[in-house]
Amino acid sequence: SAVISQKPSRDICQRGTSLTIQCQVDSQVTMMFWYRQQPGQSLTLIATANQGSEATYESGFVIDKFPISRPNLTFSTLTVSNMSPEDSSIYLCSVERTGGADEQFFGPGTRLTVL
Amino acid sequence: AQKVTQAQTEISVVEKEDVTLDCVYETRDTTYYLFWYKQPPSGELVFLIRRNSFDEQNEISGRYSWNFQKSTSSFNFTITASQVVDSAVYFCALRGYTGGFKTIFGAGTRLFVKA
Repeated sequence: SAVISQKPSRDICQRGTSLTIQCQVDSQVTMMFWYRQQPGQSLTLIATANQGSEATYESGFVIDKFPISRPNLTFSTLTVSNMSPEDSSIYLCSVERTGGADEQFFGPGTRLTVL
Repeated sequence: AQKVTQAQTEISVVEKEDVTLDCVYETRDTTYYLFWYKQPPSGELVFLIRRNSFDEQNEISGRYSWNFQKSTSSFNFTITASQVVDSAVYFCALRGYTGGFKTIFGAGTRLFVKA
């Protein structure tokens, strides 16, 4: 398994501001992902964080709104920019070790509330 | 297109009852992987099982069992003698080569187990 930590665990932010969420894994992993889970909903993939290159975004998500960094094989950040109340969600970091068909492990999530 | 359907939004049972959570998937891939995750009230996603498309053997792990049937594109999950601690949201997920080998999650089934 992989132990994943996220910071912050929760935050309350004002409209128009930005928040950067950090994801740290206890070992090197091939794949890192960022998901959003809106209240009572399923998980939606925002992007795949690629080490050393730009993230790969899913339809409906853009780099200007959700810039992502991945400087090495154990760390990634997701920024939620120019926030609005619609961005209130849980943001989850997820990893998969080998880039193949292994199970994904998830961090504890960051619960974001935008006022 | 890939899709995972969990038609049961919520299920409520009394402790010690058996309960089956349904999962139906769609994919054109011949090689794919199916997963079940548990999300307890604490929010952290817990991996339960992975099954590849070439292995239709049913699996049992303690009170949990899974029935994979390619003929009906289903991967159902049964909890035997349910306990209050089983109360959670359960997600079925699919990963296949179509769409870049990303994991697609179903909408989830919320299970309430009453004492």
